[in-house]
Amino acid sequence: QKEVEQNSGPLSVPEGAIASLNCTYSDRGSQSFFWYRQYSGKSPELIMSIYSNGDKEDGRFTAQLNKASQYVSLLIRDSQPSDSATYLCAVPDTGRRALTFGSGTRLQVQP
Amino acid sequence: DAGVTQSPTHLIKTRGQQVTLRCSPKSGHDTVSWYQQALGQGPQFIFQYYEEEERQRGNFPDRFSGHQFPNYSSELNVNALLLGDSALYLCASSLRGGPDTQYFGPGTRLTVL
Repeated sequence: QKEVEQNSGPLSVPEGAIASLNCTYSDRGSQSFFWYRQYSGKSPELIMSIYSNGDKEDGRFTAQLNKASQYVSLLIRDSQPSDSATYLCAVPDTGRRALTFGSGTRLQVQP
Repeated sequence: DAGVTQSPTHLIKTRGQQVTLRCSPKSGHDTVSWYQQALGQGPQFIFQYYEEEERQRGNFPDRFSGHQFPNYSSELNVNALLLGDSALYLCASSLRGGPDTQYFGPGTRLTVL
Protein backbone atom coordinates (compact mmCIF):
# COMPACT_ATOMS: atom_id res chain seq x y z
CA GLN A 1 0.00 0.00 0.00
CA LYS A 2 1.55 3.24 -1.08
CA GLU A 3 1.67 6.04 1.43
CA VAL A 4 1.75 9.75 0.81
CA GLU A 5 2.49 11.95 3.79
CA GLN A 6 1.82 15.64 4.24
CA ASN A 7 1.87 17.95 7.21
CA SER A 8 -1.76 18.88 7.87
CA GLY A 9 -0.90 22.44 8.89
CA PRO A 10 -2.25 25.01 8.96
CA LEU A 11 0.71 26.68 7.35
CA SER A 12 0.35 30.42 7.82
CA VAL A 13 2.34 32.88 5.69
CA PRO A 14 2.02 36.64 5.17
CA GLU A 15 0.85 38.01 1.85
CA GLY A 16 3.74 38.29 -0.61
CA ALA A 17 5.84 35.59 1.07
CA ILE A 18 6.89 32.21 -0.32
CA ALA A 19 4.80 29.27 0.85
CA SER A 20 6.57 25.91 0.90
CA LEU A 21 4.46 22.74 0.97
CA ASN A 22 6.06 19.34 1.37
CA CYS A 23 5.14 15.75 0.60
CA THR A 24 6.92 12.43 1.07
CA TYR A 25 5.98 9.14 -0.56
CA SER A 26 6.81 5.53 0.20
CA ASP A 27 7.12 3.88 -3.23
CA ARG A 28 10.54 4.35 -4.81
CA GLY A 29 9.07 3.25 -8.16
CA SER A 30 6.73 6.24 -8.41
CA GLN A 31 7.28 8.12 -11.64
CA SER A 32 4.74 10.94 -11.61
CA PHE A 33 3.52 13.34 -8.99
CA PHE A 34 0.61 15.74 -8.83
CA TRP A 35 -0.37 18.76 -6.78
CA TYR A 36 -4.04 19.63 -6.40
CA ARG A 37 -5.56 22.70 -4.78
CA GLN A 38 -8.87 22.34 -2.95
CA TYR A 39 -10.85 25.30 -1.70
CA SER A 40 -13.19 24.67 1.22
CA GLY A 41 -16.34 22.92 0.03
CA LYS A 42 -15.03 22.52 -3.52
CA SER A 43 -13.42 19.72 -5.49
CA PRO A 44 -9.66 19.31 -6.11
CA GLU A 45 -8.16 21.26 -9.00
CA LEU A 46 -4.95 20.08 -10.68
CA ILE A 47 -2.31 22.79 -10.52
CA MET A 48 1.00 21.03 -11.19
CA SER A 49 2.40 17.72 -12.36
CA ILE A 50 6.06 16.70 -12.28
CA TYR A 51 7.82 13.62 -13.66
CA SER A 52 11.57 14.34 -13.55
CA ASN A 53 13.98 15.23 -10.79
CA GLY A 54 14.49 18.94 -10.37
CA ASP A 55 12.23 21.94 -10.62
CA LYS A 56 9.24 22.71 -12.79
CA GLU A 57 7.91 26.23 -12.85
CA ASP A 58 4.44 27.46 -13.87
CA GLY A 59 3.75 31.08 -13.07
CA ARG A 60 3.98 31.60 -9.32
CA PHE A 61 4.12 27.84 -8.70
CA THR A 62 7.25 25.69 -8.65
CA ALA A 63 7.19 21.94 -8.09
CA GLN A 64 10.40 20.30 -6.88
CA LEU A 65 11.09 16.57 -7.07
CA ASN A 66 13.86 14.58 -5.42
CA LYS A 67 13.34 10.88 -6.15
CA ALA A 68 16.37 9.80 -4.13
CA SER A 69 14.86 11.37 -1.02
CA GLN A 70 11.29 10.43 -2.05
CA TYR A 71 10.29 14.02 -1.57
CA VAL A 72 8.19 16.42 -3.64
CA SER A 73 7.42 20.01 -2.75
CA LEU A 74 5.37 22.91 -4.03
CA LEU A 75 6.54 26.50 -3.71
CA ILE A 76 4.11 29.37 -4.13
CA ARG A 77 5.82 32.71 -4.69
CA ASP A 78 4.20 36.05 -3.87
CA SER A 79 1.45 34.28 -1.92
CA GLN A 80 -1.98 35.87 -2.12
CA PRO A 81 -5.00 35.51 0.19
CA SER A 82 -6.70 33.74 -2.74
CA ASP A 83 -4.09 30.97 -2.42
CA SER A 84 -5.58 30.04 0.96
CA ALA A 85 -6.74 26.47 0.43
CA THR A 86 -5.80 22.86 1.12
CA TYR A 87 -3.05 21.50 -1.12
CA LEU A 88 -3.12 17.79 -1.88
CA CYS A 89 -0.16 15.75 -3.08
CA ALA A 90 -1.01 12.68 -5.19
CA VAL A 91 0.91 9.73 -6.62
CA PRO A 92 -0.37 7.01 -9.01
CA ASP A 93 -0.84 3.70 -7.23
CA THR A 94 0.68 0.35 -8.12
CA GLY A 95 -2.06 -0.42 -10.66
CA ARG A 96 -1.25 2.88 -12.38
CA ARG A 97 -4.92 3.75 -12.61
CA ALA A 98 -5.78 5.40 -9.32
CA LEU A 99 -4.21 8.28 -7.44
CA THR A 100 -3.16 7.92 -3.82
CA PHE A 101 -3.58 11.24 -2.03
CA GLY A 102 -2.02 12.67 1.06
CA SER A 103 -4.35 14.17 3.63
CA GLY A 104 -3.45 17.68 2.45
CA THR A 105 -1.82 20.77 3.93
CA ARG A 106 -4.03 23.71 4.77
CA LEU A 107 -2.42 27.00 3.72
CA GLN A 108 -3.51 30.32 5.17
CA VAL A 109 -2.18 33.52 3.56
CA GLN A 110 -2.58 36.47 5.91
CA PRO A 111 -3.34 39.85 4.26
CA ASP B 1 -15.39 22.56 -23.63
CA ALA B 2 -17.61 20.82 -21.10
CA GLY B 3 -15.91 19.87 -17.88
CA VAL B 4 -16.76 16.98 -15.57
CA THR B 5 -20.32 17.18 -14.29
CA GLN B 6 -21.91 15.38 -11.35
CA SER B 7 -25.41 15.08 -10.01
CA PRO B 8 -26.95 15.63 -7.61
CA THR B 9 -24.98 18.31 -5.75
CA HIS B 10 -26.25 17.33 -2.33
CA LEU B 11 -28.13 14.33 -1.05
CA ILE B 12 -29.53 13.35 2.34
CA LYS B 13 -30.39 9.71 3.01
CA THR B 14 -31.09 7.56 6.04
CA ARG B 15 -29.24 4.45 7.16
CA GLY B 16 -30.07 1.36 5.15
CA GLN B 17 -31.19 3.25 2.05
CA GLN B 18 -29.60 3.05 -1.37
CA VAL B 19 -28.19 5.92 -3.42
CA THR B 20 -27.12 6.50 -7.03
CA LEU B 21 -24.69 9.22 -8.02
CA ARG B 22 -24.03 10.25 -11.61
CA CYS B 23 -21.04 11.58 -13.51
CA SER B 24 -20.35 12.76 -17.04
CA PRO B 25 -16.67 12.97 -17.97
CA LYS B 26 -14.91 15.91 -19.56
CA SER B 27 -15.37 16.14 -23.31
CA GLY B 28 -12.91 13.81 -25.03
CA HIS B 29 -12.27 11.67 -21.95
CA ASP B 30 -13.24 8.02 -21.78
CA THR B 31 -12.31 6.98 -18.24
CA VAL B 32 -14.14 7.68 -14.99
CA SER B 33 -12.72 7.17 -11.52
CA TRP B 34 -14.69 7.56 -8.31
CA TYR B 35 -13.26 8.80 -5.02
CA GLN B 36 -14.66 9.25 -1.52
CA GLN B 37 -13.42 12.18 0.54
CA ALA B 38 -14.20 12.27 4.24
CA LEU B 39 -13.91 15.56 6.09
CA GLY B 40 -10.28 16.54 6.67
CA GLN B 41 -8.91 13.68 4.56
CA GLY B 42 -7.61 13.30 1.05
CA PRO B 43 -9.75 11.54 -1.56
CA GLN B 44 -9.75 7.72 -1.42
CA PHE B 45 -10.07 5.70 -4.61
CA ILE B 46 -13.22 3.61 -4.92
CA PHE B 47 -12.98 2.22 -8.46
CA GLN B 48 -12.34 3.09 -12.09
CA TYR B 49 -14.36 2.40 -15.22
CA TYR B 50 -12.88 2.22 -18.68
CA GLU B 51 -14.47 0.68 -21.77
CA GLU B 52 -17.58 -0.04 -19.67
CA GLU B 53 -15.69 -2.33 -17.31
CA GLU B 54 -14.46 -1.93 -13.75
CA ARG B 55 -10.68 -1.87 -14.21
CA GLN B 56 -9.44 -1.38 -10.68
CA ARG B 57 -11.02 -1.25 -7.28
CA GLY B 58 -9.90 0.31 -4.03
CA ASN B 59 -10.49 -0.98 -0.54
CA PHE B 60 -14.27 -0.55 -0.49
CA PRO B 61 -16.93 -3.18 0.25
CA ASP B 62 -19.27 -4.69 -2.33
CA ARG B 63 -21.98 -2.29 -1.19
CA PHE B 64 -20.25 0.11 -3.56
CA SER B 65 -20.90 -0.71 -7.20
CA GLY B 66 -20.82 1.14 -10.45
CA HIS B 67 -21.50 1.21 -14.13
CA GLN B 68 -20.23 2.95 -17.22
CA PHE B 69 -22.44 3.65 -20.20
CA PRO B 70 -21.47 3.69 -23.90
CA ASN B 71 -21.34 7.51 -23.82
CA TYR B 72 -18.65 7.20 -21.05
CA SER B 73 -20.89 8.57 -18.30
CA SER B 74 -20.92 6.61 -15.07
CA GLU B 75 -22.97 5.84 -12.00
CA LEU B 76 -21.90 5.01 -8.47
CA ASN B 77 -24.37 3.00 -6.39
CA VAL B 78 -24.12 2.52 -2.66
CA ASN B 79 -26.44 0.02 -0.93
CA ALA B 80 -27.32 -0.35 2.74
CA LEU B 81 -26.00 3.09 3.63
CA LEU B 82 -24.06 3.54 6.86
CA LEU B 83 -23.43 6.71 8.81
CA GLY B 84 -19.77 6.39 7.81
CA ASP B 85 -20.68 6.71 4.15
CA SER B 86 -21.29 10.42 4.69
CA ALA B 87 -18.68 12.13 2.54
CA LEU B 88 -17.96 14.10 -0.60
CA TYR B 89 -18.05 11.75 -3.58
CA LEU B 90 -15.82 12.86 -6.40
CA CYS B 91 -15.75 11.75 -9.98
CA ALA B 92 -12.57 12.23 -12.01
CA SER B 93 -12.18 11.79 -15.73
CA SER B 94 -9.08 10.96 -17.74
CA LEU B 95 -7.95 9.30 -20.94
CA ARG B 96 -7.38 5.61 -21.66
CA GLY B 97 -7.46 4.43 -18.06
CA GLY B 98 -4.42 6.33 -16.94
CA PRO B 99 -4.09 8.34 -13.73
CA ASP B 100 -2.33 11.22 -15.40
CA THR B 101 -4.18 14.48 -15.65
CA GLN B 102 -7.32 13.45 -13.80
CA TYR B 103 -9.89 16.23 -13.73
CA PHE B 104 -12.40 16.26 -10.91
CA GLY B 105 -16.06 17.14 -11.03
CA PRO B 106 -17.69 19.38 -8.41
CA GLY B 107 -18.63 16.39 -6.26
CA THR B 108 -21.77 15.13 -4.56
CA ARG B 109 -22.10 15.76 -0.83
CA LEU B 110 -23.84 12.73 0.71
CA THR B 111 -25.17 12.94 4.24
CA VAL B 112 -26.45 9.76 5.89
CA LEU B 113 -28.65 10.27 8.95
